[in-house]
Amino acid sequence: QVQLQESGPGLVKPSETLSLTCVVSGYSITSYSWGWIRQPPGKGLEWIGTFSHSGITSYNPSLKSRVTISGDTSKNQFFLDLSSVTATDTAVYFCARLRYSSGYPLYDYWGQGTLVTVSS
Amino acid sequence: DIQVTQSPPSLSSSVGDRVSITCRASQSITRYLNWYEQKPGQAPRLLIYAASTLQSGVPSRFSGSGSGTDFTLTITGLQPEDFATYYCQQSYNIPYTFGQGTKLEI
Repeated sequence: QVQLQESGPGLVKPSETLSLTCVVSGYSITSYSWGWIRQPPGKGLEWIGTFSHSGITSYNPSLKSRVTISGDTSKNQFFLDLSSVTATDTAVYFCARLRYSSGYPLYDYWGQGTLVTVSS
Repeated sequence: DIQVTQSPPSLSSSVGDRVSITCRASQSITRYLNWYEQKPGQAPRLLIYAASTLQSGVPSRFSGSGSGTDFTLTITGLQPEDFATYYCQQSYNIPYTFGQGTKLEI
């Protein structure tokens, strides 16, 4: 059974960098791609980007200049860094596994999510 | 970016009813359309992918249809645990955009 767990600071100051870790258990991160999705309080879901162990990344153009997704295969975890944050980056951040079924991408396992508030 | 528009934004229904939620993409996405269910305080759960393929473990009362730009999620015989918010997501082009959500209420 694949399990994902997000961790990181719950409070980040404006203009600083938001850094989150997703620890994966039950499956190696070298076998699939992985991603981050966020949800502002009371709002819908926003796709942030994906990462594969081969180093291929894809980012939402709306965040591309500020976001980096990377991984550590030795610890079976991957990371999200979002720089120059503002209050609009306040959200629950989810990590998830990206699987392809007959070529169709889908997110089948998700972490429980972690709330990050941007405030001074 | 491909825009994905869901309707209705909210829906009131009763246990046992049949309900449908629609999703329209701003351009053809063939069958690259996923549906998720989200309950308060929880992560989204994948229900359907590739427009109509039921994810393992999801009850058969959930079904999906459509291709191109117009898609439908149907729940036949609503159960109490189905009252939640439903999102569609296109996975045809990056960024993989989500619809705005449909809140299904009693």
